[in-house]
Amino acid sequence: GQNIDQPTEMTATEGAIVQINCTYQTSGFNGLFWYQQHAGEAPTFLSYNVLDGLEEKGRFSSFLSRSKGYSYLLLKELQMKDSASYLCAVRDYGGATNKLIFGTGTLLAVQP
Amino acid sequence: EAGVVQSPRYKIIEKKQPVAFWCNPISGHNTLYWYRQNLGQGPELLIRYENEEAVDDSQLPKDRFSAERLKGVDSTLKIQPAELGDSAVYLCASSLAPLAGGPRDDTQYFGPGTRLTVL
Repeated sequence: GQNIDQPTEMTATEGAIVQINCTYQTSGFNGLFWYQQHAGEAPTFLSYNVLDGLEEKGRFSSFLSRSKGYSYLLLKELQMKDSASYLCAVRDYGGATNKLIFGTGTLLAVQP
Repeated sequence: EAGVVQSPRYKIIEKKQPVAFWCNPISGHNTLYWYRQNLGQGPELLIRYENEEAVDDSQLPKDRFSAERLKGVDSTLKIQPAELGDSAVYLCASSLAPLAGGPRDDTQYFGPGTRLTVL
């Protein structure tokens, strides 16, 4: 089956660091994406991992462990504008399936 | 460069009425996706086009939903008749290349969505 798990909500303080975890079980795996979605807006692409390890992109980093079916998104120096939903999505590719499967998203609230 | 354009942004209709959504993908993007996103959920794929061909419509409720992508550019998604449970945000996305096991050229870029309310 296909299953992607993320925490529903998280709260953090401005200037702090927060880690949003994602675990997945899919029939095939060929890459994991993180998207940011502000309320009422479209998801916007943040990061992509296909190999194990850490990808750093400014204040945002994303980590992948394929053997553990696990990823996290790390946000540093949090700003109020980082309050949004963060979606983990797995590229399920192989055999009869070929699609991007999204988690339910983690709603992050950044407080002053 | 313009992003994915969708219209209308909001639509309120009564149940059993028809409704249509329009999407213009990023120029040069051959692959187009329609998703439905319910409140508090992630997007769920309805249909995927590669050029004019619908290559994955397995999750499209074909009794009431239809889609087309004439000339391989713009696309429309139609619901007829709408039901209360169809209330959701309908997102269109496009990517440069088909969804595949390659590098990032299949990254999907989303439009702002159409928020549909069925009364």
